[in-house]
Amino acid sequence: NAGVTQTPKFQVLKTGQSMTLQCAQDMNHNSMYWYRQDPGMGLRLIYYSASEGTTDKGEVPNGYNVSRLNKREFSLRLESAAPSQTSVYFCASSPTGGDTEAFFGQGTRLTVV
Amino acid sequence: GQSLEQPSEVTAVEGAIVQINCTYQTSGFYGLSWYQQHDGGAPTFLSYNGLDGLEETGRFSSFLSRSDSYGYLLLQELQMKDSASYFCAVNRNTPLVFGKGTRLSVIA
Repeated sequence: NAGVTQTPKFQVLKTGQSMTLQCAQDMNHNSMYWYRQDPGMGLRLIYYSASEGTTDKGEVPNGYNVSRLNKREFSLRLESAAPSQTSVYFCASSPTGGDTEAFFGQGTRLTVV
Repeated sequence: GQSLEQPSEVTAVEGAIVQINCTYQTSGFYGLSWYQQHDGGAPTFLSYNGLDGLEETGRFSSFLSRSDSYGYLLLQELQMKDSASYFCAVNRNTPLVFGKGTRLSVIA
Protein backbone atom coordinates (compact mmCIF):
# COMPACT_ATOMS: atom_id res chain seq x y z
CA ASN A 1 0.00 0.00 0.00
CA ALA A 2 2.25 2.81 -1.25
CA GLY A 3 -0.33 5.64 -1.18
CA VAL A 4 1.48 8.91 -1.94
CA THR A 5 5.21 8.67 -2.62
CA GLN A 6 7.53 11.67 -2.68
CA THR A 7 11.14 11.83 -3.78
CA PRO A 8 13.63 12.84 -2.58
CA LYS A 9 13.15 12.77 1.20
CA PHE A 10 15.99 15.22 1.84
CA GLN A 11 17.76 17.74 -0.40
CA VAL A 12 20.28 20.52 0.04
CA LEU A 13 20.54 23.11 -2.73
CA LYS A 14 22.69 26.12 -3.29
CA THR A 15 20.99 29.43 -3.98
CA GLY A 16 20.16 29.66 -7.65
CA GLN A 17 20.12 25.92 -8.32
CA SER A 18 17.04 24.23 -9.73
CA MET A 19 15.37 20.97 -8.84
CA THR A 20 12.15 19.03 -9.24
CA LEU A 21 10.28 17.33 -6.42
CA GLN A 22 8.48 14.24 -7.59
CA CYS A 23 5.13 12.93 -6.33
CA ALA A 24 3.14 9.89 -7.37
CA GLN A 25 -0.05 8.36 -6.00
CA ASP A 26 -1.46 4.91 -6.67
CA MET A 27 -5.02 5.48 -5.40
CA ASN A 28 -6.49 6.67 -8.72
CA HIS A 29 -7.20 10.08 -7.20
CA ASN A 30 -8.18 12.96 -9.42
CA SER A 31 -6.86 15.79 -7.27
CA MET A 32 -3.30 16.42 -6.16
CA TYR A 33 -1.69 19.19 -4.13
CA TRP A 34 1.63 20.63 -3.05
CA TYR A 35 1.90 22.25 0.39
CA ARG A 36 4.85 23.73 2.23
CA GLN A 37 5.19 23.68 5.99
CA ASP A 38 7.22 26.17 7.96
CA PRO A 39 7.46 26.39 11.76
CA GLY A 40 4.42 28.13 13.20
CA MET A 41 2.84 28.61 9.77
CA GLY A 42 0.87 25.43 9.33
CA LEU A 43 0.44 23.99 5.84
CA ARG A 44 0.24 26.48 3.00
CA LEU A 45 -0.93 25.52 -0.46
CA ILE A 46 1.53 26.17 -3.29
CA TYR A 47 -0.27 24.68 -6.30
CA TYR A 48 -2.94 22.13 -6.92
CA SER A 49 -4.36 20.07 -9.75
CA ALA A 50 -8.07 19.38 -9.50
CA SER A 51 -7.87 16.84 -12.31
CA GLU A 52 -5.46 15.58 -14.93
CA GLY A 53 -4.56 18.38 -17.31
CA THR A 54 -5.38 21.27 -14.96
CA THR A 55 -3.27 23.18 -12.46
CA ASP A 56 -4.03 26.23 -10.32
CA LYS A 57 -2.14 28.51 -8.01
CA GLY A 58 -2.56 28.29 -4.28
CA GLU A 59 -1.66 30.69 -1.52
CA VAL A 60 2.13 30.84 -2.09
CA PRO A 61 2.95 30.01 -5.75
CA ASN A 62 5.79 32.47 -6.39
CA GLY A 63 9.07 30.78 -7.28
CA TYR A 64 7.46 27.46 -8.16
CA ASN A 65 6.04 25.67 -11.19
CA VAL A 66 4.14 22.41 -11.42
CA SER A 67 3.38 19.73 -13.95
CA ARG A 68 0.57 17.20 -13.80
CA LEU A 69 2.34 14.62 -15.91
CA ASN A 70 -0.53 12.13 -15.83
CA LYS A 71 -3.19 11.10 -13.35
CA ARG A 72 -0.61 9.53 -11.02
CA GLU A 73 2.16 12.12 -11.01
CA PHE A 74 2.37 15.75 -9.97
CA SER A 75 5.79 17.41 -9.83
CA LEU A 76 6.94 20.66 -8.25
CA ARG A 77 9.85 22.59 -9.75
CA LEU A 78 12.02 25.25 -8.20
CA GLU A 79 13.68 27.09 -11.08
CA SER A 80 16.10 29.19 -9.03
CA ALA A 81 16.13 28.19 -5.39
CA ALA A 82 16.24 30.85 -2.68
CA PRO A 83 16.88 30.49 1.07
CA SER A 84 13.24 31.49 1.68
CA GLN A 85 12.25 28.23 0.03
CA THR A 86 13.86 26.21 2.80
CA SER A 87 10.90 24.22 4.08
CA VAL A 88 9.25 20.84 4.31
CA TYR A 89 7.21 20.09 1.21
CA PHE A 90 4.23 17.76 1.26
CA CYS A 91 2.40 16.31 -1.67
CA ALA A 92 -1.18 15.16 -1.09
CA SER A 93 -4.03 13.68 -3.07
CA SER A 94 -7.77 13.17 -2.73
CA PRO A 95 -10.42 11.49 -4.90
CA THR A 96 -11.86 14.89 -5.84
CA GLY A 97 -11.29 18.47 -4.73
CA GLY A 98 -14.10 18.65 -2.22
CA ASP A 99 -13.41 15.36 -0.51
CA THR A 100 -13.31 14.95 3.20
CA GLU A 101 -9.91 13.28 3.39
CA ALA A 102 -6.55 14.08 1.85
CA PHE A 103 -3.69 11.61 1.87
CA PHE A 104 -0.18 12.95 2.37
CA GLY A 105 3.24 11.80 1.29
CA GLN A 106 6.06 11.61 3.83
CA GLY A 107 7.49 14.99 2.86
CA THR A 108 10.67 16.41 1.37
CA ARG A 109 12.95 18.39 3.65
CA LEU A 110 14.60 21.03 1.49
CA THR A 111 17.41 23.29 2.64
CA VAL A 112 18.64 26.11 0.42
CA VAL A 113 22.01 27.54 1.44
CA GLY B 1 -10.29 34.93 2.06
CA GLN B 2 -10.18 32.19 4.61
CA SER B 3 -8.82 32.14 8.13
CA LEU B 4 -8.71 29.60 10.92
CA GLU B 5 -7.76 30.20 14.53
CA GLN B 6 -6.62 27.54 16.96
CA PRO B 7 -4.42 27.68 20.08
CA SER B 8 -0.74 27.28 19.37
CA GLU B 9 0.05 25.00 22.32
CA VAL B 10 -1.81 22.86 24.83
CA THR B 11 -0.41 20.72 27.65
CA ALA B 12 -2.40 17.98 29.35
CA VAL B 13 -1.81 15.10 31.74
CA GLU B 14 -1.81 11.47 30.67
CA GLY B 15 -5.25 9.94 31.17
CA ALA B 16 -7.01 13.32 31.10
CA ILE B 17 -9.31 14.90 28.49
CA VAL B 18 -8.27 17.81 26.30
CA GLN B 19 -10.26 19.98 23.90
CA ILE B 20 -8.68 21.85 20.99
CA ASN B 21 -10.84 24.63 19.59
CA CYS B 22 -10.98 25.98 16.07
CA THR B 23 -12.82 29.02 14.74
CA TYR B 24 -12.97 29.77 11.05
CA GLN B 25 -14.00 32.33 8.48
CA THR B 26 -14.52 31.15 4.93
CA SER B 27 -16.86 31.06 1.98
CA GLY B 28 -18.19 27.95 0.29
CA PHE B 29 -17.91 25.90 3.48
CA TYR B 30 -18.49 22.16 3.22
CA GLY B 31 -17.15 20.98 6.57
CA LEU B 32 -14.30 20.89 9.05
CA SER B 33 -11.56 18.28 9.18
CA TRP B 34 -8.91 17.43 11.74
CA TYR B 35 -5.43 16.10 11.06
CA GLN B 36 -2.73 14.77 13.36
CA GLN B 37 0.99 15.18 12.71
CA HIS B 38 3.77 13.69 14.78
CA ASP B 39 7.18 15.35 14.70
CA GLY B 40 8.95 14.46 11.48
CA GLY B 41 5.87 12.78 10.05
CA ALA B 42 3.12 13.52 7.58
CA PRO B 43 -0.34 14.82 8.46
CA THR B 44 -2.88 12.04 8.81
CA PHE B 45 -6.64 12.37 8.75
CA LEU B 46 -8.52 12.06 12.04
CA SER B 47 -12.09 13.16 11.51
CA TYR B 48 -14.54 15.18 9.45
CA ASN B 49 -17.71 17.08 10.37
CA GLY B 50 -20.01 18.00 7.51
CA LEU B 51 -23.04 18.55 9.71
CA ASP B 52 -23.53 20.19 13.09
CA GLY B 53 -22.96 17.95 16.04
CA LEU B 54 -20.54 15.44 17.44
CA GLU B 55 -18.67 12.72 15.57
CA GLU B 56 -16.97 10.04 17.65
CA THR B 57 -14.13 7.76 16.62
CA GLY B 58 -12.74 5.81 19.52
CA ARG B 59 -10.98 8.12 21.96
CA PHE B 60 -11.32 11.07 19.59
CA SER B 61 -14.46 13.14 19.00
CA SER B 62 -15.01 16.20 16.87
CA PHE B 63 -17.75 18.80 17.03
CA LEU B 64 -19.04 21.41 14.59
CA SER B 65 -21.37 24.37 14.94
CA ARG B 66 -21.90 26.02 11.55
CA SER B 67 -23.87 28.90 13.02
CA ASP B 68 -20.94 29.77 15.30
CA SER B 69 -18.23 28.96 12.72
CA TYR B 70 -16.65 26.86 15.45
CA GLY B 71 -15.47 23.35 15.99
CA TYR B 72 -13.37 21.37 18.40
CA LEU B 73 -11.43 18.15 18.69
CA LEU B 74 -11.81 16.23 21.95
CA LEU B 75 -9.21 13.69 22.96
CA GLN B 76 -10.07 11.39 25.87
CA GLU B 77 -7.92 9.06 27.96
CA LEU B 78 -4.82 10.85 26.76
CA GLN B 79 -1.78 8.73 26.03
CA MET B 80 1.82 9.80 25.60
CA LYS B 81 1.60 8.86 21.92
CA ASP B 82 -1.05 11.57 21.47
CA SER B 83 1.70 14.18 21.77
CA ALA B 84 1.63 15.72 18.30
CA SER B 85 0.39 18.71 16.36
CA TYR B 86 -3.30 18.89 15.48
CA PHE B 87 -4.61 20.90 12.57
CA CYS B 88 -8.15 21.91 11.76
CA ALA B 89 -8.87 22.39 8.08
CA VAL B 90 -11.76 23.83 6.14
CA ASN B 91 -13.22 21.69 3.38
CA ARG B 92 -14.57 23.59 0.39
CA ASN B 93 -14.87 22.84 -3.32
CA THR B 94 -11.17 23.66 -3.60
CA PRO B 95 -8.18 22.38 -1.64
CA LEU B 96 -8.13 22.15 2.11
CA VAL B 97 -7.15 25.31 3.98
CA PHE B 98 -5.32 24.50 7.20
CA GLY B 99 -5.02 26.30 10.48
CA LYS B 100 -1.55 26.86 11.92
CA GLY B 101 -1.85 23.89 14.23
CA THR B 102 -1.97 23.19 17.95
CA ARG B 103 0.97 21.44 19.53
CA LEU B 104 -0.28 19.04 22.21
CA SER B 105 2.14 17.89 24.86
CA VAL B 106 1.00 15.02 27.06
CA ILE B 107 2.85 14.83 30.37
CA ALA B 108 2.99 12.07 32.96
